[in-house]
Amino acid sequence: GEDVEQSLFLSVREGDSSVINCTYTDSSSTYLYWYKQEPGAGLQLLTYIFSNMDMKQDQRLTVLLNKKDKHLSLRIADTQTGDSAIYFCAESMGPNGGSQGNLIFGKGTKLSVKP
Amino acid sequence: DAGVTQSPTHLIKTRGQHVTLRCSPISGHKSVSWYQQVLGQGPQFIFQYYEKEERGRGNFPDRFSARQFPNYSSELNVNALLLGDSALYLCASRTSIGDTQYFGPGTRLTVL
Repeated sequence: GEDVEQSLFLSVREGDSSVINCTYTDSSSTYLYWYKQEPGAGLQLLTYIFSNMDMKQDQRLTVLLNKKDKHLSLRIADTQTGDSAIYFCAESMGPNGGSQGNLIFGKGTKLSVKP
Repeated sequence: DAGVTQSPTHLIKTRGQHVTLRCSPISGHKSVSWYQQVLGQGPQFIFQYYEKEERGRGNFPDRFSARQFPNYSSELNVNALLLGDSALYLCASRTSIGDTQYFGPGTRLTVL
């Protein structure tokens, strides 16, 4: 079945780089996403990558995709205290699921940034 | 531009009651999806609507239903509430099926 796995916690010092990892199972996924959720809030889309890409960079964010290993990572450069949040990896459901384009989420990685 | 809006923000109900949650998509977006996020978990897909028709359903019981109106807003209804229905209910909209989804702030439902 379809599943997305993430490590649950990551702690870094302000100014360091953070790397959040994710593995997924559905090889038919067309897009993979990273969302950020701050306490008590909804989900904020950070970035996404199309499945035929290896890397995407957007300011401080770098997404790496290893399609062979079904591994996705999000690197945040120069991590700030405002980056403290829960980060969700998500894959879009393949067409066979009958819900084309809807998302399967991991459980989220809680990023804590220490000053 | 306004983002996805949801109402109410918070809601407290008792077991067995019925609840209706509302969502207004981003202007120009014709597809709305609903997700349930239980504390400590990632969101789980409940329904997708596009052009007022149901286009997808997740693994949720028949107590959950939804509809989309001509102005593309949507309602999620849950009957015979259980304690386990306590969660953050998220609505997401997009221009059409397969496009990137943008989420609202959610409705926090507590069932006592």
